[in-house]
Amino acid sequence: QVQLQESGPGLVKPSETLSLICTVSGASISTYYWSWVRQSPGQRLEWIGYISYSGFTKYSSSLKSRVTISGDTSKNQVSLRLTSVTAADTGLYYCARSRGDTWFDFWGQGTLVTVSS
Amino acid sequence: DIVMTQSPDSLAVSLGERATINCKSSQSLLNSSNNKNYLAWYQQKLGQPPRLLIYWASARESGVPDRFSGSGSGTDFTLTISSLQAEDVAVYFCQQYETSHTFGQGTKLEIK
Repeated sequence: QVQLQESGPGLVKPSETLSLICTVSGASISTYYWSWVRQSPGQRLEWIGYISYSGFTKYSSSLKSRVTISGDTSKNQVSLRLTSVTAADTGLYYCARSRGDTWFDFWGQGTLVTVSS
Repeated sequence: DIVMTQSPDSLAVSLGERATINCKSSQSLLNSSNNKNYLAWYQQKLGQPPRLLIYWASARESGVPDRFSGSGSGTDFTLTISSLQAEDVAVYFCQQYETSHTFGQGTKLEIK
């Protein structure tokens, strides 16, 4: 069974960099596409970006200038870096799998990130 | 970006009755090259991540009960629960994947 587990600091200061890791089991990150999706306190879901099985990345146009997604095949992990965070970046961050540039069929439980001084 | 708008924001339906949730996109999600609509539906229960229900607007994900169905084409789509069960209480989201990825704001479904 595919499992995704997000991890990282729960509190980040404004203007600093948010860094999260998604550890994947039951599937190789060298197959499928792996996305980060966040959910604001008001429940709106926002796609951040993905890395494909070949290492190709695609990002949301609104976050593109601040986001980097990378993969570590030796650890079967996908990472997210979001720079210059503000309170608007507070939310629940999910890692999710897709079979292409399409829908998301497996999700992690999410990790809560609060941006505050 | 394509904007997805769901209606209603919340809905209360009696057990055993039909629930209908609508989703409208600001641009057509129908791809003329393959005649597929690039739309998915998710269910999110309290404290859980979203769960995929429907993709290609009407294809049911494996393991999803057949009381869930999706319909529509172009810019207007519907998720229907034919006979509401207590375990269907959740927030439902639509998602387009025709151009990047955007979600609707969610519809909260409760028991009347």
